[in-house]
Amino acid sequence: SAVISQKPSRDICQRGTSLTIQCQVDSQVTMMFWYRQQPGQSLTLIATANQGSEATYESGFVIDKFPISRPNLTFSTLTVSNMSPEDSSIYLCSVELRQPGLARTGELFFGEGSRLTVL
Amino acid sequence: GQQVMQIPQYQHVQEGEDFTTYCNSSTTLSNIQWYKQRPGGHPVFLIQLVKSGEVKKQKRLTFQFGEAKKNSSLHITATQTTDVGTYFCAPASSNDYKLSFGAGTTVTVRA
Repeated sequence: SAVISQKPSRDICQRGTSLTIQCQVDSQVTMMFWYRQQPGQSLTLIATANQGSEATYESGFVIDKFPISRPNLTFSTLTVSNMSPEDSSIYLCSVELRQPGLARTGELFFGEGSRLTVL
Repeated sequence: GQQVMQIPQYQHVQEGEDFTTYCNSSTTLSNIQWYKQRPGGHPVFLIQLVKSGEVKKQKRLTFQFGEAKKNSSLHITATQTTDVGTYFCAPASSNDYKLSFGAGTTVTVRA
């Protein structure tokens, strides 16, 4: 398994501001993802955070709104830009672990999440 | 990503009873995973099913993958209060392993 730390755990923000969420993993991982979970809803994949290159965004999500950094194999950030009340959600960092030399399994480990409320 | 329909959306269960949640797809899935999210918590991996007709058990939980690999189910026997939470099925894309999540079945237990 992996220990995944997210900061902040929760925040209340004003409309029009931006917030950066940090994700720190206790081991090097190749695959790191950012998900959003709106209140009472399922999880929606925002993007795959790629180390050393631009993130790969899913349909409906764009870099200008959700810029992502991945400077190394243990750390990533997600910024929610120019926030509106519709951005109020839990944002979850997740990683896929794989033993060296073995095929990918797809099993994800999630951080505790960052609960964002936009007023 | 792969689209699945998960039913029921809510399941209210008397403690000690059994229940089943279903995950259905219109297309063949390469594999499917199940996650549990406790209230206020984050999703936790339960199991992955890969083979046609596969059945896996974890104590009181039985997971099944259909013969056609288009549906999956989770059956819980003798429900306990610790089973409270939302259960998500999550099919993986065959080429890049990105997971999409079903809508989830939220389980509450009456003592």
